Amino acid sequence: SQQGEEDPQALSIQEGENATMNCSYKTSINNLQWYRQNSGRGLVHLILIRSNEREKHSGRLRVTLDTSKKSSSLLITASRAADTASYFCATGNSGGSNYKLTFGKGTLLTVNP
Amino acid sequence: SQTIHQWPATLVQPVGSPLSLECTVEGTSNPNLYWYRQAAGRGLQLLFYSVGIGQISSEVPQNLSASRPQDRQFILSSKKLLLSDSGFYLCAWTHEDTQYFGPGTRLTVL
Repeated sequence: SQQGEEDPQALSIQEGENATMNCSYKTSINNLQWYRQNSGRGLVHLILIRSNEREKHSGRLRVTLDTSKKSSSLLITASRAADTASYFCATGNSGGSNYKLTFGKGTLLTVNP
Repeated sequence: SQTIHQWPATLVQPVGSPLSLECTVEGTSNPNLYWYRQAAGRGLQLLFYSVGIGQISSEVPQNLSASRPQDRQFILSSKKLLLSDSGFYLCAWTHEDTQYFGPGTRLTVL
């Protein structure tokens, strides 16, 4: 079953604008991650935030995590046409040998030049 | 550095035919390995994961099976494909809670 649910399902913006995607989940987590997928390709890891963290930055990416609301957001600042892709959130369980990620359905981001 | 390979990249198979998709990882030892399927416009569904040679955990009952004959090799198989097996199959391994994905295999069952 799907743990994370991204919102919106699709987002279209102009180059230079900021893009915000949200993710909600249902059960307790060890970490939450965001991945990017270009059409027809594998997923690429963007950023990981642990359950005891509230905010994390990586270049033009900013991720927040609110464990009380079971939600996360991914902000891409100053977007570029090359940012066009699907973005997925994934929640990690408690770890160890049975470590698994549960992925949402993704947000399709289109950045228009 | 670690790399993960999948082949074939694309496959078209008739209903009822067998399937074998291969995934290999280089540059690491004893990785946790995962098979996912992605239907068109959907998220990833975890099919199988493996913590070691010969150790396979199945996440959903289905027409597929997995095997891990060597430490860095993970194989997805079927004896008889169904139309519903069509999709994009992704292999991944885990390092420090992050998963690294292969390029995927696009399977079309006709």
